[in-house]
Amino acid sequence: DTAVSQTPKYLVTQMGNDKSIKCEQNLGHDTMYWYKQDSKKFLKIMFSYNNKELIINETVPNRFSPKSPDKAHLNLHINSLELGDSAVYFCASSQDRGQGLRTFGSGTRLTVV
Amino acid sequence: SQKIEQNSEALNIQEGKTATLTCNYTNYSPAYLQWYRQDPGRGPVFLLLIRENEKEKRKERLKVTFDTTLKQSLFHITASQPADSATYLCAPGGSTLGRLYFGRGTQLTVWP
Repeated sequence: DTAVSQTPKYLVTQMGNDKSIKCEQNLGHDTMYWYKQDSKKFLKIMFSYNNKELIINETVPNRFSPKSPDKAHLNLHINSLELGDSAVYFCASSQDRGQGLRTFGSGTRLTVV
Repeated sequence: SQKIEQNSEALNIQEGKTATLTCNYTNYSPAYLQWYRQDPGRGPVFLLLIRENEKEKRKERLKVTFDTTLKQSLFHITASQPADSATYLCAPGGSTLGRLYFGRGTQLTVWP
C-alpha cells in the first residue's frame, strides 16, 4: 500500500508539449506539495495545498498549474514544456503545514527533448 | 535569501566508524530542522526533527544537534554500516506556511 503515489514514473516529451503528473496520498494528510529536484540535486518547493487551498506558490512560471480536486490528490499540469523543465518532480504530503514530516512519492523523472 | 550548506557533497567512511554530516544555514532563523535520507531513484525519507529549543535528539544510531547560535546542525550516524550509504538532506523550516528549504545533501558511502 503506497502512501504517496505519483504517475508516471518516467515522462519523455518534446518541447512545446503539455503534460500532467498525478499524485495521490492515502495517509489522510491535510497538506500536499510539489517539489522539483534539478540536476544539481537541489530540492525546491514549488506549490503547497492545504485542504485543497493553495498556500504556497514559490515563483514558479505560470506554465505550471497545480490542481487539487480533493485533499488526497494534487496534480501538476505543465504547458509549453521547455528544456529547462527537465528534472525529477516529487509529490509529498504532511499531516499539517507546519513542522509535519513530509512523506514523499518516488518521483517523476521528466525529460524534455 | 536563505542559504543552506551541507559540508561536502561526498563523505566516505569505513564501516563501524561514526559519520558526521554538517548543515549550516544563513539569512534564516528556523524554528526546527528536519533530516531526510534519499536513496538513488527514490524520494526522500524523513529521519529526525529537532526544534530550536532542543540541543540534541537521538533515534537508535542517529543523533542530531541544533546550535542556533552557530546556525548549524550536526547529524551523526554511529557504528555506520554499508546500508547507511545514501544522500542525507537537511531541511530547516519554520514559517507558518510550512516552507521547508532543503540543502543539496551529502552523499555518504560506508565501505566494508
